[in-house]
Amino acid sequence: RKEVEQDPGPFNVPEGATVAFNCTYSNSASQSFFWYRQDCRKEPKLLMSVYSSGNEDGRFTAQLNRASQYISLLIRDSKLSDSATYLCVVTPWEYGNKLVFGAGTILRVKS
Amino acid sequence: DTAVSQTPKYLVTQMGNDKSIKCEQNLGHDTMYWYKQDSKKFLKIMFSYNNKELIINETVPNRFSPKSPDKAHLNLHINSLELGDSAVYFCASSPNGERLHFGNGTRLTVT
Repeated sequence: RKEVEQDPGPFNVPEGATVAFNCTYSNSASQSFFWYRQDCRKEPKLLMSVYSSGNEDGRFTAQLNRASQYISLLIRDSKLSDSATYLCVVTPWEYGNKLVFGAGTILRVKS
Repeated sequence: DTAVSQTPKYLVTQMGNDKSIKCEQNLGHDTMYWYKQDSKKFLKIMFSYNNKELIINETVPNRFSPKSPDKAHLNLHINSLELGDSAVYFCASSPNGERLHFGNGTRLTVT
């Protein structure tokens, strides 16, 4: 089983739609969780951290479910500019500074 | 102003050659990384250095050798290049082992 698994998509949605991605992780001792965004042929950039209590940043909401070992990202009112690959990232406790990336979920927002 | 810069951006070379990729960060971070992103877009950690000391060394062929002359620099030397080494190599730095700041990537093509 991979350490971090995501549905690769692509998710094709119209502008204004709400879309949600899930990501599961295998190491129950994992401590830190993030969503990164990667545009085509660009470097990944941090979108948001994921906290146990859930957190929101504008149209983006991230949730963590430790019992089921998954994190989610919800995007409301999708924009064309949201089209990108969304990477789920987990820091396993025993690996200290190591961040493990999922393979990413492709989102395509169409007008 | 570039926070994490890596050179070259593109590298095309023949099998069997030796090449180096350089990375520098001006963020004052203690931790630097090399990640490899293959054709399937899977981003995998190769090495991590904390203040010039190697702390993460994943299962990477010995042909890959990182060198950190100081905490602002982490270079990657690759000996005897193989076709399977073709990928995008990302350098990154972090202040705390969590949020990563990536360079623009080096697209290596081995022919």
